[in-house]
Amino acid sequence: GAVVSQHPSRVICKSGTSVKIECRSLDFQATTMFWYRQFPKQSLMLMATSNEGSKATYEQGVEKDKFLINHASLTLSTLTVTSAHPEDSSFYICSARDRTVGDAKNIQYFGAGTRLSVL
Amino acid sequence: DAKTTQPPSMDCAEGRAANLPCNHSTISGNEYVYWYRQIHSQGPQYIIHGLKNNETNEMASLIITEDRKSSTLILPHATLRDTAVYYCIVRPRTGNTPLVFGKGTRLSVIA
Repeated sequence: GAVVSQHPSRVICKSGTSVKIECRSLDFQATTMFWYRQFPKQSLMLMATSNEGSKATYEQGVEKDKFLINHASLTLSTLTVTSAHPEDSSFYICSARDRTVGDAKNIQYFGAGTRLSVL
Repeated sequence: DAKTTQPPSMDCAEGRAANLPCNHSTISGNEYVYWYRQIHSQGPQYIIHGLKNNETNEMASLIITEDRKSSTLILPHATLRDTAVYYCIVRPRTGNTPLVFGKGTRLSVIA
């Protein structure tokens, strides 16, 4: 299947700093990417939908000024957690959709995730 | 909101078939059934999807009932590495609708 690369896999930062997470589709173009967050022992929660060249659409309750999303190209989206606090500690996962037209396509592929720990 | 219902947990003996059920009684005509799994501390992995016909690939088989209100994911010969949380999700195949995850089924494969 298609590969989505997410970097870094783990980051530890001090409270008040900003952290950038990169998500790349390696072998396909992704006009749409998604960002999820997962707290321990819970399921994935959608944070935002990112379309290439336009502003991201955030889910209710997700602060757009805190979680900045940039989708500048068809293969790269970034999530920046600004002024991170301990309650932002979580597992962040990006996802990209293979929009290839044809049977069995339009599958959503996921990165390996980034574990953020804010001290 | 997730539109599927799955048992919270299941056990399976190594080497045996694992049959994971999913109810999706409100599925609409343009929605497909997708299955993903998440191994601990990793991103979800796509397994298989289908509309109304049974599907099989190198990972699993998907059996969808004729009325499409339920389905079963079958791992024919479960291994310890298949221990994971399995998610059944319904979603239109086309368009930008993102996957919405429920709680899934935690499958434990036991030696």
